[in-house]
Amino acid sequence: DTGVSQDPRHKITKRGQNVTFRCDPISEHNRLYWYRQTLGQGPEFLTYFQNEAQLEKSRLLSDRFSAERPKGSFSTLEIQRTEQGDSAMYLCASSSTGGRTEAFFGQGTRLTVV
Amino acid sequence: RKEVEQDPGPFNVPEGATVAFNCTYSNSASQSFFWYRQDCRKEPKLLMSVYSSGNEDGRFTAQLNRASQYISLLIRDSKLSDSATYLCVVKDGSNYKLTFGKGTLLTVNP
Repeated sequence: DTGVSQDPRHKITKRGQNVTFRCDPISEHNRLYWYRQTLGQGPEFLTYFQNEAQLEKSRLLSDRFSAERPKGSFSTLEIQRTEQGDSAMYLCASSSTGGRTEAFFGQGTRLTVV
Repeated sequence: RKEVEQDPGPFNVPEGATVAFNCTYSNSASQSFFWYRQDCRKEPKLLMSVYSSGNEDGRFTAQLNRASQYISLLIRDSKLSDSATYLCVVKDGSNYKLTFGKGTLLTVNP
């Protein structure tokens, strides 16, 4: 499978715990995006990488959220001290810089904070 | 004003109907435009890009009006399998950020 891969698919955690999600983009894609989606809403932008550089981070993203893409390939999104309001689907997408620039999404990680 | 606004929906139509979705965007510097489709509890999937001259893919037609900052999607002869949420997406030309609308839910009934 050469699509965007996310792990885990589901995560249930207790409030206050830290969680980390992983995204493996399509191999030739140098842009990687993280989005969050709650029921009945469109995906909400969190952050974006071009290669290993984090170029933009949403103002809505609190200091408890951090993302990395150390070698310009896979990325991780960490949420520290989770809160119930963090419960959502976390989506990763990737795109290329040349030719077709459409973004392709992974299947997402569904986080439930109890 | 929201960056990307769509018809609130939901839309319920019979099979074979023609349905149109509308979307407006606020950033006049936006460069690229897309329609994505999202099935329940699944990830968004690209339906089609939207070009300035308008484009068609089978039963689907997308239109862009840059002057009005307006995008549309027309589905002809709707099928049961078209039932999904349709997301209007705008890409910023300077930072390549994708901004999504809230989505419009379509249900096609037999």
